[in-house]
Amino acid sequence: EAGVTQFPSHSVIEKGQTVTLRCDPISGHDNLYWYRRVMGKEIKFLLHFVKESKQDESGMPNNRFLAERTGGTYSTLKVQPAELEDSGVYFCASSQNSGDTQYFGPGTRLTVL
Amino acid sequence: EDQVTQSPEALRLQEGESSSLNCSYTVSGLRGLFWYRQDPGKGPEFLFTLYSAGEEKEKERLKATLTKKESFLHITAPKPEDSATYLCAVLGSSNTGKLIFGQGTTLQVKP
Repeated sequence: EAGVTQFPSHSVIEKGQTVTLRCDPISGHDNLYWYRRVMGKEIKFLLHFVKESKQDESGMPNNRFLAERTGGTYSTLKVQPAELEDSGVYFCASSQNSGDTQYFGPGTRLTVL
Repeated sequence: EDQVTQSPEALRLQEGESSSLNCSYTVSGLRGLFWYRQDPGKGPEFLFTLYSAGEEKEKERLKATLTKKESFLHITAPKPEDSATYLCAVLGSSNTGKLIFGQGTTLQVKP
């Protein structure tokens, strides 16, 4: 069974540009989560989808971040415009039910110059 | 506010030297405590889930235990391939699926 996949693995962009990250969850997992780890800090929650609906977006830092999950399958996280402090590793995770074990993808390392 | 603190931040062991990693937590209604292993450049890899005080789980050289305030990850006779960062996370009753992570313990096992 394929695990959680994320694309791209790395992205380097200039401040002010736009970047879109993609996550494909494990097949059949209705719950999809986005997390972020910035340098020297712990992994922090961004938001949680149940199918195509946003269940909890309390961790989204500001309105430059937009997450979507059309059709309840893969999800995208767009950062527009990117700022220097957005640099970090963005992880996606999925679970069958809310509260179940979350399985993580390999992450996307975002560098904003 | 839900909080997780892991100690030590870093641990160096000789191969075969057993030790324990600590995860102290404060959470309103624990729904689950999760241990993950993370290798450099990779995502967290699931190890264990513990749900209630007194519960224990084992996998090869690793054993996780849980009390009402903390969890321990015991590593028995570690090997160099056990070198990684070990992450602890909790899920509280006030959150639907939001994991609260500690900063992790980076373990290095020397041959």
